[in-house]
Amino acid sequence: DQQVKQNSPSLSVQEGRISILNCDYTNSMFDYFLWYKKYPAEGPTFLISISSIKDKNEDGRFTVFLNKSAKHLSLHIVPSQPGDSAVYFCAAHTSGTYKYIFGTGTRLKVLA
Amino acid sequence: NAGVTQTPKFRILKIGQSMTLQCTQDMNHNYMYWYRQDPGMGLKLIYYSVGAGITDKGEVPNGYNVSRSTTEDFPLRLELAAPSQTSVYFCASSPETGDYGYTFGSGTRLTVV
Repeated sequence: DQQVKQNSPSLSVQEGRISILNCDYTNSMFDYFLWYKKYPAEGPTFLISISSIKDKNEDGRFTVFLNKSAKHLSLHIVPSQPGDSAVYFCAAHTSGTYKYIFGTGTRLKVLA
Repeated sequence: NAGVTQTPKFRILKIGQSMTLQCTQDMNHNYMYWYRQDPGMGLKLIYYSVGAGITDKGEVPNGYNVSRSTTEDFPLRLELAAPSQTSVYFCASSPETGDYGYTFGSGTRLTVV
C-alpha cells in the first residue's frame, strides 16, 4: 500500500524553465511534508518542507504547494538549472510518529 | 562538521554471512533511522531510535537488528544475509521529528550473492 506516490518516474526540462514535480498521498493524517534531492552515490538532502496548516512555502527558487483537499503537493523550481538534475523524493509524516513515508522518486533532468 | 558517516560504502556478502553497517553522527541528534532503498522504490524504514538505549521497528525490520548505546552511534546488524537484502542502506538523523529534515549519510551499497 503506497501511501505516498510520485507517478512520474522522470521529467526533462529546459534550463531556465519551470520544473514541476508532483506527489500524491492517501493518508489524511499526514501533517508534515518534505522534499529531498538525491544525487548519484550520495544520500538524500533535505530541500524544503511544508506543514499542513500552510498551502505554500517558498525558499529561493523552490516553492512547495499543498492542496489538502486533493491530497496533493507539488514542488516548483524556477528557474531550473542543470545542477538541479537529480532524483527528488517527497515524504510525509504524522505528528506523534517517528517516521516519514517516502515516495518512489522522480528523476529530473535539466537540459542546458 | 562530518554530519552522518556510514561505513563501509560498498560490500559484497555471501548468503548466510553476517555483517554490521556502521553509522555515526556528530550533531548530537536524538533521532536516528535506518532506511533501505531498492531500485525504483522509495526509502523503507528498517529501524529507528529516539535516543540512546531506545530502538523500535520500522516497516521492514525482519533480518536486521540494531542497538543504540550512545547518542552518536546506531549500527545495523544483518544476520544470515539473504539475496533479498541486496539494497542501498541509508542512515539518517534528526534533532526532532516534524518538519525537521533528516540528515542522511552517503549510503552503503550491499550485494548478497
